[in-house]
Amino acid sequence: KAGVTQTPRYLIKTRGQQVTLSCSPISGHRSVSWYQQTPGQGLQFLFEYFSETQRNKGNFPGRFSGRQFSNSRSEMNVSTLELGDSALYLCASSLSPGQPPYNEQFFGPGTRLTVL
Amino acid sequence: QQQVKQSPQSLIVQKGGISIINCAYENTAFDYFPWYQQFPGKGPALLIAIRPDVSEKKEGRFTISFNKSAKQFSLHIMDSQPGDSATYFCAATHSNQFYFGTGTSLTVIP
Repeated sequence: KAGVTQTPRYLIKTRGQQVTLSCSPISGHRSVSWYQQTPGQGLQFLFEYFSETQRNKGNFPGRFSGRQFSNSRSEMNVSTLELGDSALYLCASSLSPGQPPYNEQFFGPGTRLTVL
Repeated sequence: QQQVKQSPQSLIVQKGGISIINCAYENTAFDYFPWYQQFPGKGPALLIAIRPDVSEKKEGRFTISFNKSAKQFSLHIMDSQPGDSATYFCAATHSNQFYFGTGTSLTVIP
């Protein structure tokens, strides 16, 4: 079974631009979560989608948004990029948002975003 | 505010030694405590997990010790190997929201 795939793997943008990252979950997984990973901060939760609906949202500004499609694929968008947005953005999929092990998260390799 | 506090930030262990990573939490609503292992260029992968009604769980060389009253849990890696060199994250979850520690970079010296 193929794992979680994220595209692109690397991205370089300049301040003020906007970016869209894509995540394809494991086949059959319907829940997708996004995280920002930076040195020293660990993984910070961005948002979670299930059945095309945002169920949870982390403490990030409105510049960060996401959506999920009917095939469970998800995208996240960051508008008006800032230098501090440079990070590894990880997507994780799970079967559903239920109790373990159904909500066990499987991570993709991430998209490395660099903002210049 | 960091919901899960993890220490140490980095750890160097000799091959064959025991690696110990500690985590602490405050929210008693957490009901599942997984540990993840991350190699460079890869996403985190689930290593082992425990529920709060169990005090210890062992899988091969990896053991989680859980102290509910102290709100602490730890990962023990027995007979550490160079291939265990990676970053380890503890996490705690409730309502399907995951909170991660800041990570421990483990280096096992041959």
